[in-house]
Amino acid sequence: KNEVEQSPQNLTAQEGEFITINCSYSVGISALHWLQQHPGGGIVSLFMLSSGKKKHGRLIATINIQEKHSSLHITASHPRDSAVYICAVEGSQGNLIFGKGTKLSVKP
Amino acid sequence: DGGITQSPKYLFRKEGQNVTLSCEQNLNHDAMYWYRQDPGQGLRLIYYSQIVNDFQKGDIAEGYSVSREKKESFPLTVTSAQKNPTAFYLCASSILPRVWTEAFFGQGTRLTVV
Repeated sequence: KNEVEQSPQNLTAQEGEFITINCSYSVGISALHWLQQHPGGGIVSLFMLSSGKKKHGRLIATINIQEKHSSLHITASHPRDSAVYICAVEGSQGNLIFGKGTKLSVKP
Repeated sequence: DGGITQSPKYLFRKEGQNVTLSCEQNLNHDAMYWYRQDPGQGLRLIYYSQIVNDFQKGDIAEGYSVSREKKESFPLTVTSAQKNPTAFYLCASSILPRVWTEAFFGQGTRLTVV
């Protein structure tokens, strides 16, 4: 079993829809990261969380440490949100452990 | 603007040849990392460096080599010993070793062996 599991693997939405991507992990962590990878391949950091909730524009990230689960929400989705969203956790030794990613496609 | 620059974006190599991927950062970060990404898989750590002139193997170091002669630069050489080198390679940096106040990544290099 992978240490970081994301669901769904693929997601297609219509513009304007509310989107949720889930991340579950099985190891003790100090923090969790949500990353965005555009079709060109570059990765940008969206959020780093160790507890609670963070919001940036239309993006919201939550984490429940007890349940070892995090969600990334996108409100009022737009075609420019189409990308691969990657969850990564910081393990006990400070290394990053990555999920396989969720490919999001938002149709106009 | 501070960031990480990887070059080239696309690279083609003949079987049996070594090839070097460039990674430069102007963030003044101590730690730098090389990851490999394959379709349907999460990023896997190849090598990392915590300080100049020091580096450690990651999970999949076989067939790769690195150097860290300058703080800003962490080139990765894919040697002919790497059995399946076709992949997408990403360089990353963090302000201190294993301290990820924010994860910084380059734009990646897509290597294809022909």
